[in-house]
Parts: sequence; C-alpha cells; structure tokens
Amino acid sequence: DAGVIQSPRHEVTEMGQEVTLRCKPISGHNSLFWYRQTMMRGLELLIYFNNNVPIDDSGMPEDRFSAKMPNASFSTLKIQPSEPRDSAVYFCASSLAAISGDTQYFGPGTRLTVL
Amino acid sequence: QQPVQSPQAVILREGEDAVINCSSSKALYSVHWYRQKHGEAPVFLMILLKGGEQKGHEKISASFNEKKQQSSLYLTASQLSYSGTYFCGTVPSGGSYIPTFGRGTSLIVHP
Repeated sequence: DAGVIQSPRHEVTEMGQEVTLRCKPISGHNSLFWYRQTMMRGLELLIYFNNNVPIDDSGMPEDRFSAKMPNASFSTLKIQPSEPRDSAVYFCASSLAAISGDTQYFGPGTRLTVL
Repeated sequence: QQPVQSPQAVILREGEDAVINCSSSKALYSVHWYRQKHGEAPVFLMILLKGGEQKGHEKISASFNEKKQQSSLYLTASQLSYSGTYFCGTVPSGGSYIPTFGRGTSLIVHP
C-alpha cells in the first residue's frame, strides 16, 4: 500500500497567488482530513470529509480556504489568495471511518511558504 | 478544546524512562497517541478507549484515567529511535469522534 499521497511536497509562492494542495487517500478509507501544522498553533484540523462529503469545516480559517473531494481517491485544499501567515505544513490524513475514531494515517505533508 | 500536554520537552539518555501526560477539560471517549519525527508525518502509536484501559507497544505503553480525563504515555528504557514529538489526540464523549490534538511533547534521547 502506497499510503496517503500528497503533492507537491514543497511549495513556495508569492503573496496573492492561488495555491492548490492535493491528496490521494488510502484506497478503501472513507474519511479524509486536512490539517495545518505550525510551531505556534500545533496541529489544527481544518476540515474533514466522510464518504466524499464535507462534515465539519469549522477549522477552515477563512473564506480564502476551500476544500473539495470530487471522488473517493482525490481531494484538494485551495488557498486563494495566499498570505504569508498561511505558511505552514499541511497534512492530509485518511481513516477507515471517522465516526468510530479509527486510526488516522497521515501523508508526508506539503510545506507551504508564502513570501 | 485542545488538550494540555506536559512536559513540553524532555531530554533523556538512552535507557532512561519518561512519562508524557495529556489532560482534557472534557469527558473523554478515547485518547489517541501519535509520534512525529522531525520533517516527517505523525505516525499512530495507540488508541485507548474509556474504561481505564492500558495498552502497550514494545516498551511504550499508555494508560487512560477516564475519571480524571487524563492519559499518560510511558516510555521505558528509551532508545535513540524514540526521539520525536509526541502528540495526544482526545475524543470527547458524545462528540464527533474526531480527535483534537495537543501541542505536543518534544522528546530527545541522547546516547
């Protein structure tokens, strides 16, 4: 099993640009999570999906952030326009079923730097 | 609400023991423990469900005190490979089953 796949691994962009982060969950997993990790705030849940449907997006910082899951094998997290304070490592994780508190398997993360 | 982990950092010599604590202000259904090595993704260690269960993984074990809303992670005879940041994730009773992670405890094991 390839595990959770994220791309790109590193992204450097300028303030105001659109950024799209991509995630492929583990095959057969029904839940997908997007996290942001910073030194100041630790690991924060941004949004999670169950069976491709967004269940809780209360962690999304503001309207500049949006996430989609068009099918069971792909999800995107978009930031438009990006700001320097968005610089962080963004992790995608998947689990068999969020509702039962199953183990989450994390991807390698995307390190985003906004200049 | 984010659980509180203590201590924030631990420095050990190989072979020494360590305890990492995690406490919540809410009644808990479960506690998850993860370890993250520098520059890598968090990796699952174990889940503890309410009932005072204690689990073990090699020389790493954990307990969950439901009444005190606390969990502790025990690292026995630490090895160099134990170095990393340990996160607890707490799942409140009657909630969404999604863990909220603490700020993490940095563990450094020296030879």
